[in-house]
Amino acid sequence: AQSVAQPEDQVNVAEGNPLTVKCTYSVSGNPYLFWYVQYPNRGLQFLLKYITGDNLVKGSYGFEAEFNKSQTSFHLKKPSALVSDSALYFCAVRDGNNRLAFGKGNQVVVIP
Amino acid sequence: EPEVTQTPSHQVTQMGQEVILRCVPISNHLYFYWYRQILGQKVEFLVSFYNNEISEKSEIFDDQFSVERPDGSNFTLKIRSTKLEDSAMYFCASSSRRGSSYEQYFGPGTRLTVT
Repeated sequence: AQSVAQPEDQVNVAEGNPLTVKCTYSVSGNPYLFWYVQYPNRGLQFLLKYITGDNLVKGSYGFEAEFNKSQTSFHLKKPSALVSDSALYFCAVRDGNNRLAFGKGNQVVVIP
Repeated sequence: EPEVTQTPSHQVTQMGQEVILRCVPISNHLYFYWYRQILGQKVEFLVSFYNNEISEKSEIFDDQFSVERPDGSNFTLKIRSTKLEDSAMYFCASSSRRGSSYEQYFGPGTRLTVT
């Protein structure tokens, strides 16, 4: 089965500093990778995906993610974090035909 | 921007009772999903649904669970006889297409508490 791992529980970053949320994957075959964000009392919101092509994927709200096949990683990045980026971030991989397999999530806290 | 909606936001029920969780997917989407997240654990896939039938289900989705699209807009998850371990956040999702490259759009979730 496909899986992803998010090694950190919480990421603290000062406002204006670069933000990185880590994700590594384990798949057989081609990986289809996704990042979602969850704000309080909201559903999981799609940020970006990697299917094929450029290793650097750009998504919503200024986020991007870098696919690294040799390191089996798909880290989420933002050059300059905002306080409003404080949320729960989930990495996911397509597992099977339709299901997504999620990581445990990372709480991001952006400190003003 | 169209969104997936879910009702209720919080449901408290007694063990052994039946519950129905409701979802309204995005209107032109054809594929529907339920996931759940037990507190402190990962989001887990339960079931996918297309063309009025289940297309895929996980080992969690046993005979206590059922899904239905009773009309053109709603998509429901029924738990026949709830157990304490069914307490979780349940997320509905929908997508316009099936296949690895198509993202799923999620609702805000229903928090189910079984006492």
